[in-house]
Amino acid sequence: SQQGEEDPQALSIQEGENATMNCSYKTSINNLQWYRQNSGRGLVHLILIRSNEREKHSGRLRVTLDTSKKSSSLLITASRAADTASYFCATNNAGNMLTFGGGTRLMVKP
Amino acid sequence: EPEVTQTPSHQVTQMGQEVILRCVPISNHLYFYWYRQILGQKVEFLVSFYNNEISEKSEIFDDQFSVERPDGSNFTLKIRSTKLEDSAMYFCASNRVVGNEQFFGPGTRLTVL
Repeated sequence: SQQGEEDPQALSIQEGENATMNCSYKTSINNLQWYRQNSGRGLVHLILIRSNEREKHSGRLRVTLDTSKKSSSLLITASRAADTASYFCATNNAGNMLTFGGGTRLMVKP
Repeated sequence: EPEVTQTPSHQVTQMGQEVILRCVPISNHLYFYWYRQILGQKVEFLVSFYNNEISEKSEIFDDQFSVERPDGSNFTLKIRSTKLEDSAMYFCASNRVVGNEQFFGPGTRLTVL
């Protein structure tokens, strides 16, 4: 089974618009984390939401978690060209490991 | 701000050769990880390490792979006999508390010819 699947796979928006990315998972989790990856580079941690939390904010980022639907969303408000990157959700369940989804490629056009 | 570092940034090797990828985790972190990302695919967990032993490993982490913390700062991943399909970006990560965010290094791109 696939844990942590994002949709859409690709998203193209204009600067200033909001971007919403969704993540679904299959098993119970301790927390869900969102990461950003610029092309060919490392993974940058954005935000962590625990299973007993429903919403979390960090700057222009807003993450929601619905454990009944096993889904999460990442909203980037007032997007900038510099937000262009791939965004991954990763779930942490019983152990230490993170299970990553396939990612959403976001392009923000100036 | 402290960060995870990895060397080399790019390693090219011949099939069958041994490679060692190096990582320096953040200094007060206790848990260390290796992940890999084959080009165009998902990031996959390989192994986690705590208190000088492996705490979890995936099916990918077979007998060809080993990890070591040879001193107080380095964390290494060794692939004994590389295969073409080992070509990938290898990421090291660390955290201080299990279940908290993991901090990733910039990765080592391994190319096996």
